[in-house]
Amino acid sequence: QKEVEQNSGPLSVPEGAIASLNCTYSDRGSQSFFWYRQYSGKSPELIMFIYSNGDKEDGRFTAQLNKASQYVSLLIRDSQPSDSATYLCAVNSPKDSSYKLIFGSGTRLLVRP
Amino acid sequence: GAGVSQTPSNKVTEKGKYVELRCDPISGHTALYWYRQSLGQGPEFLIYFQGTGAADDSGLPNDRFFAVRPEGSVSTLKIQRTERGDSAVYLCASSPREGAYNEQFFGPGTRLTVL
Repeated sequence: QKEVEQNSGPLSVPEGAIASLNCTYSDRGSQSFFWYRQYSGKSPELIMFIYSNGDKEDGRFTAQLNKASQYVSLLIRDSQPSDSATYLCAVNSPKDSSYKLIFGSGTRLLVRP
Repeated sequence: GAGVSQTPSNKVTEKGKYVELRCDPISGHTALYWYRQSLGQGPEFLIYFQGTGAADDSGLPNDRFFAVRPEGSVSTLKIQRTERGDSAVYLCASSPREGAYNEQFFGPGTRLTVL
């Protein structure tokens, strides 16, 4: 089992719809959870982080965390074609003092005009 | 303010050569990470610096890889006797905090191609 799992997609949604991206993780001790957006040929850009159970909203983005079920999700409201990218879920590794990030392989999102 | 910068943006080298990749973190960020990303995969951890010291180098694949951060700011990743399998994008990230709640900000990366 991979430490962080994401559906590779592509997830295709029409412009204006809600895109829902999901991620599961295996280490129950993980404490912080991040969503990065990565455009083709570019580096990952941090868009959301969440540390506590529940929802966290920032503009059109909502991150949801459920530690009991070990999943994190990202909702993108009013999706735009410019949101088309790969979304990487990352979880910190509490086993090491470095708190390095463990990444999933990413979900490719396509927003159709 | 300025983000993380990395040089060069692209590096093409021949098998067996030595390369150095440079990372300049966000000013004031004490934590610095190196990751490597292959096509279709998420970044994979290589090494972590807390200040000047390598606090965790467990991700370095073998002893051909080495990294330094002599003054606690700029870091250099060094790869000896490069192999074709080393081809990837090498990413540097910095964080203003250490510990669990450490948002990491990535640089643009260096694309390394070993022929």
